[in-house]
Amino acid sequence: GAVVSQHPSWVICKSGTSVKIECRSLDFQATTMFWYRQFPKQSLMLMATSNEGSKATYEQGVEKDKFLINHASLTLSTLTVTSAHPEDSSFYICSASPGQGAYQPQHFGDGTRLSIL
Amino acid sequence: QKEVEQDPGPLSVPEGAIVSLNCTYSNSAFQYFMWYRQYSRKGPELLMYTYSSGNKEDGRFTAQVDKSSKYISLFIRDSQPSDSATYLCAMSAYGNKLVFGAGTILRVKS
Repeated sequence: GAVVSQHPSWVICKSGTSVKIECRSLDFQATTMFWYRQFPKQSLMLMATSNEGSKATYEQGVEKDKFLINHASLTLSTLTVTSAHPEDSSFYICSASPGQGAYQPQHFGDGTRLSIL
Repeated sequence: QKEVEQDPGPLSVPEGAIVSLNCTYSNSAFQYFMWYRQYSRKGPELLMYTYSSGNKEDGRFTAQVDKSSKYISLFIRDSQPSDSATYLCAMSAYGNKLVFGAGTILRVKS
């Protein structure tokens, strides 16, 4: 149980295009999902917390207009990297916690490797 | 000083060895402690979850939390080459975001 699916796993696109990444909780409902960015040989950096039916909460230093987050349902959150540039190339990972009330640890998707040419 | 300190390694051990991984932290509000395993180009996989102090065992894995010392450990018995990965400790105060350690690279040699 507690499976999080992320799509696509790898995307290469030209500078200036927008890229959408999907994160789905397959066997549980998630009112909150999280988006992380990971640079090579570094730990995960939280970008934003995505709340179903409301605006995302962004961490300090993360551009809201660059990284658009939509959490339209209890099983789907999307991250859109707008007008992507080479410096946006990175490994993006989403996570979600099953259940409500008692604390449940986050489960992660397999990540999306984004390469901007 | 970082909130969570973790030696990045790499840690190299022979197959069958007992592996000890650990993290220290400074925030006494942390109550939830996790260990994740991350293979190259994959997302982190939850291995162990512990609430507050104590030990928890699951197969070859044992997690220990000592809140008085602000120190957590993960032990892997009978280590296998397939255990070679990066191990991330993570912790949280209730309802708050996860704080990760830097991750320890483990290499188990056959």
